[in-house]
Amino acid sequence: ETGVTQTPRHLVMGMTNKKSLKCEQHLGHNAMYWYKQSAKKPLELMFVYSLEERVENNSVPSRFSPECPNSSHLFLHLHTLQPEDSALYLCASSQVKGDRNSPLHFGNGTRLTVT
Amino acid sequence: AQKVTQAQTEISVVEKEDVTLDCVYETRDTTYYLFWYKQPPSGELVFLIRRNSFDEQNEISGRYSWNFQKSTSSFNFTITASQVVDSAVYFCALSKLGTYKYIFGTGTRLKVLA
Repeated sequence: ETGVTQTPRHLVMGMTNKKSLKCEQHLGHNAMYWYKQSAKKPLELMFVYSLEERVENNSVPSRFSPECPNSSHLFLHLHTLQPEDSALYLCASSQVKGDRNSPLHFGNGTRLTVT
Repeated sequence: AQKVTQAQTEISVVEKEDVTLDCVYETRDTTYYLFWYKQPPSGELVFLIRRNSFDEQNEISGRYSWNFQKSTSSFNFTITASQVVDSAVYFCALSKLGTYKYIFGTGTRLKVLA
């Protein structure tokens, strides 16, 4: 099993659709993240979960709804998206313990196109 | 405030040339981590190195080397004898110890031409 697995790799959806992105980590990490990567923009942190509790929510529109049922799984539920939401969505995990941070380990990303 | 600046948007080199990617950071923290990641066309960000702010030793791993200079707040990355497979976007990142915030630079796109 690879470290962080994301599905699907590609997703095309209309503005009225509802879909979900899935992320699974096999590294035993205690934190999971959603990042958005748009063309010519820096990586944007969307959400962070630590031990299944959301610890960071960076003013993300409510049409993006995260869910973390356990420390290994993270979902991003999408509904009524806009074309400007088209981007690469990256999931990552890390181990944060005391004053030590492991590097972020990323999945392959989901390339989302909103039509 | 924390900030990471990668001033080079895109660099093109010919295979076998050496290339240095610049990274300058800002932080008020005395302890922090610095990272480099590689993002090939496939999309996944691949971790390359983590450096603790206490450790200013330079590091070499094969054709890759990193020069950490606290005095100039820089963490530059050099690829020696570049290869076409090195073509990717490279990101520098900063993180305060014990937090969930990783601040990324805007990335440098490296094109290595055969």
